[in-house]
Amino acid sequence: EPEVTQTPSHQVTQMGQEVILRCVPISNHLYFYWYRQILGQKVEFLVSFYNNEISEKSEIFDDQFSVERPDGSNFTLKIRSTKLEDSAMYFCASNLGQGGPRYYEQYFGPGTRLTVT
Amino acid sequence: QQPVQSPQAVILREGEDAVINCSSSKALYSVHWYRQKHGEAPVFLMILLKGGEQKGHEKISASFNEKKQQSSLYLTASQLSYSGTYFCGTDQGSRLTFGEGTQLTVNP
Repeated sequence: EPEVTQTPSHQVTQMGQEVILRCVPISNHLYFYWYRQILGQKVEFLVSFYNNEISEKSEIFDDQFSVERPDGSNFTLKIRSTKLEDSAMYFCASNLGQGGPRYYEQYFGPGTRLTVT
Repeated sequence: QQPVQSPQAVILREGEDAVINCSSSKALYSVHWYRQKHGEAPVFLMILLKGGEQKGHEKISASFNEKKQQSSLYLTASQLSYSGTYFCGTDQGSRLTFGEGTQLTVNP
């Protein structure tokens, strides 16, 4: 069964450093997402991406964050200058999305645990 | 605006039933249910769409009351593998907004 993959599984970085989290969505899916989950809390939407542009973004997704689909398979989340409060599990997800994402389930990747020290 | 889930936590003995509720202050087009085990990614359980269509796992049942903007997930004859945190997600455009989650523990 196809799956979403993410690398690395764990990233440790110092405050103020840039990090890039990588995801490979399922190949025929049209919508891609990043979510964040702080330990013990709910899953929070960051951004959705469709047709090579941001479809929606949350209040959390400020100028420090950016997303990119640099080629036909990868989908990346960049945090320019990490803060301590960026420490969380970051999940990538994809959705088949034909006719609109609301009709389809989101397939989540295994996550990248980001630790900012 | 995030949906509200209840209860926050429930403890069952294997074989017992549980209901998890999800309500929204906004009109809903669809409700999604996911289960997350500790340290793992959320896993899809079910989508309920306005108009009555449902997609999901055969062993899971749920309801969606569009007028009341509520959904309920029914877990019957619970198994140890049902343990985890259950999230409902409400569809708002191209985003899913998740509730705080309901922690379900099934004991032998």
